[in-house]
Amino acid sequence: GAVVSQHPSRVICKSGTSVKIECRSLDFQATTMFWYRQFPKQSLMLMATSNEGSKATYEQGVEKDKFLINHASLTLSTLTVTSAHPEDSSFYICSASFWASLRTDTQYFGPGTRLTVL
Amino acid sequence: DAKTTQPTSMDCAEGRAANLPCNHSTISGNEYVYWYRQIHSQGPQYIIHGLKNNETNEMASLIITEDRKSSTLILPHATLRDTAVYYCIGGSWENSGGSNYKLTFGKGTLLTVNP
Repeated sequence: GAVVSQHPSRVICKSGTSVKIECRSLDFQATTMFWYRQFPKQSLMLMATSNEGSKATYEQGVEKDKFLINHASLTLSTLTVTSAHPEDSSFYICSASFWASLRTDTQYFGPGTRLTVL
Repeated sequence: DAKTTQPTSMDCAEGRAANLPCNHSTISGNEYVYWYRQIHSQGPQYIIHGLKNNETNEMASLIITEDRKSSTLILPHATLRDTAVYYCIGGSWENSGGSNYKLTFGKGTLLTVNP
């Protein structure tokens, strides 16, 4: 259980174009989804948190107009990288969690999307 | 968020127990300790989490010291497929009082299981 998928797994695009990445929770309803970015040989950095039906909360330094997040349903969140530039090339990973009776929500991660901007 | 300290790397022989330490001396009373691992170019995989008591599941055991300042993840019989970066994370609710439980990843420990 608790499977999260991402699509596409790998994308190459030209500078200036926009790229959409989908994150789906396959066997549970995710009250919250998170988007992370990971540069080579570095750890995961949280970009934003989104609750279904609400606007995403972005971490400091992450441009909300550049990284558009939509969380329209309890099983789907999308991240759109607008006007992508080579420095946006990275490994983008989503995670999903659901409310539990305990004060802790385990996050289950997707397999990641490798974005390369030429 | 509780800041955690882990060794940069460790080696373990295949079939032996792998004991991965983590210091989290600043953890607060309501912060859980989570362990995830990440195999190269994949998303992190949840392993186990705990608050005060020791925990065990099909993947690993988590031993938390009584003062909660440190913990140890134990993989009882390491295999080559357990080679990964292991992250010890103190999870916490957002300081803004929101309903989101955030994880802050550090650099983790690269565990290499050798044949």
